[in-house]
Amino acid sequence: AQSVSQHNHHVILSEAASLELGCNYSYGGTVNLFWYVQYPGQHLQLLLKYFSGDPLVKGIKGFEAEFIKSKFSFNLRKPSVQWSDTAEYFCAVNARAAGNKLTFGGGTRVLVKP
Amino acid sequence: EADIYQTPRYLVIGTGKKITLECSQTMGHDKMYWYQQDPGMELHLIHYSYGVNSTEKGDLSSESTVSRIRTEHFPLTLESARPSHTSQYLCASSSDRVENTGELFFGEGSRLTVL
Repeated sequence: AQSVSQHNHHVILSEAASLELGCNYSYGGTVNLFWYVQYPGQHLQLLLKYFSGDPLVKGIKGFEAEFIKSKFSFNLRKPSVQWSDTAEYFCAVNARAAGNKLTFGGGTRVLVKP
Repeated sequence: EADIYQTPRYLVIGTGKKITLECSQTMGHDKMYWYQQDPGMELHLIHYSYGVNSTEKGDLSSESTVSRIRTEHFPLTLESARPSHTSQYLCASSSDRVENTGELFFGEGSRLTVL
């Protein structure tokens, strides 16, 4: 079945460490790609998105993601994390092949130790 | 800041009870969605609506039903709750504008526990 896969379910790291979260999808054709974040006790909110153009996308709070079409990947990165980055991160794909409905990955829970 | 609201935030209820989870948005969005999320699992789309009097089943089969009588409201109802319905239910909406395709605004969720 076509899907969105996030490779890490849990990540624990210290402040100032670099973060990279993997996301792969299996849809062919045109896709719109998203990373959403859910901070503890808060609602899901958009972190960044890719529709077209420069495959390196910059989002809020110093996050960026790179779309690699040949690898069907949209990995999220941050060079130096802060304690406030503790959250759950969801990759999501909107694909014409999936009827233009947003499909989410399983999420990655990130804990940043102070 | 998104203007989409869900009530109740938390609900503990006994088996067999009827429950309605409310969702409303003030952004004038035509598209609204309900997702179900179990702890540590991905979000699954259970219902969506592209406008008033339009509702569709999502990818995950659900015994719940929805209605869309007004643009701003998209309530979800379970006629007879069961322990298997215990989950978090997330409501979302999106604009029709092409450049926003796929970008959703979420409510804070309704966490349902059925005893």
